[in-house]
Formats: sequence, structure tokens, C-alpha cells
Amino acid sequence: AQSVTQLDSQVPVFEEAPVELRCNYSSSVSVYLFWYVQYPNQGLQLLLKYLSGSTLVESINGFEAEFNKSQTSFHLRKPSVHISDTAEYFCAVSDADTGRRALTFGSGTRLQVQP
Amino acid sequence: NAGVMQNPRHLVRRRGQEARLRCSPMKGHSHVYWYRQLPEEGLKFMVYLQKENIIDESGMPKERFSAEFPKEGPSILRIQQVVRGDSAAYFCASSRQGTPEAFFGQGTRLTVV
Repeated sequence: AQSVTQLDSQVPVFEEAPVELRCNYSSSVSVYLFWYVQYPNQGLQLLLKYLSGSTLVESINGFEAEFNKSQTSFHLRKPSVHISDTAEYFCAVSDADTGRRALTFGSGTRLQVQP
Repeated sequence: NAGVMQNPRHLVRRRGQEARLRCSPMKGHSHVYWYRQLPEEGLKFMVYLQKENIIDESGMPKERFSAEFPKEGPSILRIQQVVRGDSAAYFCASSRQGTPEAFFGQGTRLTVV
């Protein structure tokens, strides 16, 4: 069984400040890792993914995440946030070995960017 | 290039009625997944389907819930005899054969009154 822990339910931060949203996972097999963003009353949008290769992955809007196998983490970072980054962020894993496609999600972190 | 389409966006049902939620996957996607999001919680996997085939239903409640993905037409998540506890946002996602990335629809928000 897999599990995902997002320790911070809410992260308030001022505009242009850096932010880190933490994600740790537990799995007995190799995993694929994802970050999704959800704006109010919207669906989930894929922000970035780790499938294989370089452990540092980046999105087009300045977010990055680093897969750390030894620490079983996939923390999301942005050096300077905007008001428009205010949203809920979900970390998710799926099984890379057996091909079971179901995503296991964390409980989410609400990023609140203040002016 | 339309994304995953879900309808209706909002659905209100009285206790005991049936709810039918529809999902059309992205063009070229043959895999469909249903997830449920309860208030203030993350998403929980319910079921994974390919055309005319249920691949994984390990997250589906044992009673009242069913899902299908027919050869033609959208995937349907059906909830019979709804209860207040079924009130949630239901999200559909789709992916291509052989890829792990899933793309989500806007969701259907079910309210049971």
C-alpha cells in the first residue's frame, strides 16, 4: 500500500517570497510522483511530474520539485510566489512497478499568497 | 483539443434518488478513472476502467455504486439510492495507453438534500 503525507494543511506567504510545500510518501515499490494544483471550484491541473531520469523537475510557471529517494520526498518549491499562485496543491504517487494506475493523493496544502 | 469533459457540473438529488455522472475522456485516451473528494479532504481513488472493462474497482463502495465505460459514449458513474454522505465532488481523469499521467475534468459536485 502507498501513502502520501502533506504535513502542512495551510501555508500563508507574502507575495514575492519563496515557498516550499512538503510531500513525503511511503511505498514498497518504485513510484511515479506528481503535483497537481486546484483552483477554487475547479478540477485538478497537472503541475509537474517525476517519471524517471533527472530528479529535479520544473513547471512552466516557475515551480520545481526534487525527487529524493533516500528521504522519500518530493517537495515543491518556488523562489518567488505571485498572488495568482493561491490555490490548493496536491501531491500524488502511483505505482511504477506493477502498472497499477490509481493515484494516491495527499490531503492537500492550501497556499495563501498575501499582498 | 478538448480536455476531459464532465457533466453535469452540479447535481442536486434528494435522498433515495439515483445520480448519474458522465465523463468523456480526452481525445486519444482509452483509460478513465473516477475519484471522490469529500469536503476538506484529498481525492480518493474509486475505479479505473478501459473500454468495456473494469480494471480496478478497489476503491468503490460495495453497494449502490457502479461504473461503466461502454464501447461508444462516455463513462458513467452511477450512485443508486443516494444518501447525505454521498455529497462530494466527483472527478474523472483520463490517460493514454501506456502513460502514467492522468488529466482531470472539472468535476461534478453532488449535493444530496
